Amino acid sequence: KAGVTQTPRYLIKTRGQQVTLSCSPISGHRSVSWYQQTPGQGLQFLFEYFSETQRNKGNFPGRFSGRQFSNSRSEMNVSTLELGDSALYLCASSSDRTSTDTQYFGPGTRLTVL
Amino acid sequence: TQLLEQSPQFLSIQEGENLTVYCNSSSVFSSLQWYRQEPGEGPVLLVTVVTGGEVKKLKRLTFQFGDARKDSSLHITAAQPGDTGLYLCAGVPSSNTGKLIFGQGTTLQVKP
Repeated sequence: KAGVTQTPRYLIKTRGQQVTLSCSPISGHRSVSWYQQTPGQGLQFLFEYFSETQRNKGNFPGRFSGRQFSNSRSEMNVSTLELGDSALYLCASSSDRTSTDTQYFGPGTRLTVL
Repeated sequence: TQLLEQSPQFLSIQEGENLTVYCNSSSVFSSLQWYRQEPGEGPVLLVTVVTGGEVKKLKRLTFQFGDARKDSSLHITAAQPGDTGLYLCAGVPSSNTGKLIFGQGTTLQVKP
């Protein structure tokens, strides 16, 4: 089974621009979660989508948004980029998001905002 | 706010030594997971513990979930250079099973 894939792997943007990141989950997985990882804050939960619906949301500003398509692929968008948005963005998929369900992480997209 | 405090943040040891990483919280978790992340990769799940007092072993790694389900530990016996990486604990709060809360991580370096 192919793992979780994320594109692009690296991205450089400037302040004020917007960016779209893509995540393809493991085949058959319907839940996709997004996380932001920075050296200072660690891994922080952004949001989770299940069957095209946002099921949970973290404490991030409205500039961070996402969506999920019928094939479970997911995208996240960050508008009006700020320097502090520089981070590794990880997505994880699971067959369902229960308390003990295993999440499989992709390699991440490294976003640098200049 | 449900926080997971992980300690130590950094650990540099010689091959063959033992070590323990701790993950503590004031909140109760319905389950707790341990991940290992290598540079340029996403975290990989090592183990999930769900029952208070549970102990799981994975070769030289021993994981324990506290009786009150508020804390966990990871013990590595006879560490090897291949154990080098970032170790993350993550918990699902009993009050909100929709989120996975991560600790800050422990960076482990095992020198040959």
